[in-house]
Amino acid sequence: RKEVEQDPGPFNVPEGATVAFNCTYSNSASQSFFWYRQDCRKEPKLLMSVYSSGNEDGRFTAQLNRASQYISLLIRDSKLSDSATYLCVVNRNGNRLAFGKGNQVVVIP
Amino acid sequence: EAGVVQSPRYKIIEKKQPVAFWCNPISGHNTLYWYLQNLGQGPELLIRYENEEAVDDSQLPKDRFSAERLKGVDSTLKIQPAELGDSAVYLCASSTGTGGVGELFFGEGSRLTVL
Repeated sequence: RKEVEQDPGPFNVPEGATVAFNCTYSNSASQSFFWYRQDCRKEPKLLMSVYSSGNEDGRFTAQLNRASQYISLLIRDSKLSDSATYLCVVNRNGNRLAFGKGNQVVVIP
Repeated sequence: EAGVVQSPRYKIIEKKQPVAFWCNPISGHNTLYWYLQNLGQGPELLIRYENEEAVDDSQLPKDRFSAERLKGVDSTLKIQPAELGDSAVYLCASSTGTGGVGELFFGEGSRLTVL
């Protein structure tokens, strides 16, 4: 089983709609969690950290479920500029990060 | 402030040839990473440096890959000889975190094509 699993999609989302996707991780000792955004042929950039209590940044909401070992990302009121691949990142310990293969989001006008 | 700088951006070589990639991290960032990213996949760690020390190179194919970070600043990743399967994007990243994880800042990557 891979350390971090994501459904690559694509997730085709009408503009203005809400899209949500999960990422599961295998190591229960994982300590910290992140969502990175990667535009086509660009480098990944940090979107947001994921806290135990959940967190929100504008139209983006991230949740962590330790019992079921998954994190989620929800995007409300999708914009065309949200089209990208969203990478789930899990830190087991120290600086050992594991990346998922990403959820590809395509926002359709 | 300048971000992570990588060169070359693109490289096309024939198999069995050597290739080298260079990375200049953000000033003051002690931790430097080299990742490999294949199409449709997430980045996979090759090696991580804390200053000039390689603290995690367990995923580096040491028969053909080598890396160095002299003086704890710039880093070079080398492949010799290159194989067809090495075609990928090689990403360099840096962070301030040591012992914990700060935000990773990635360079634009070096896209390698092996013919």
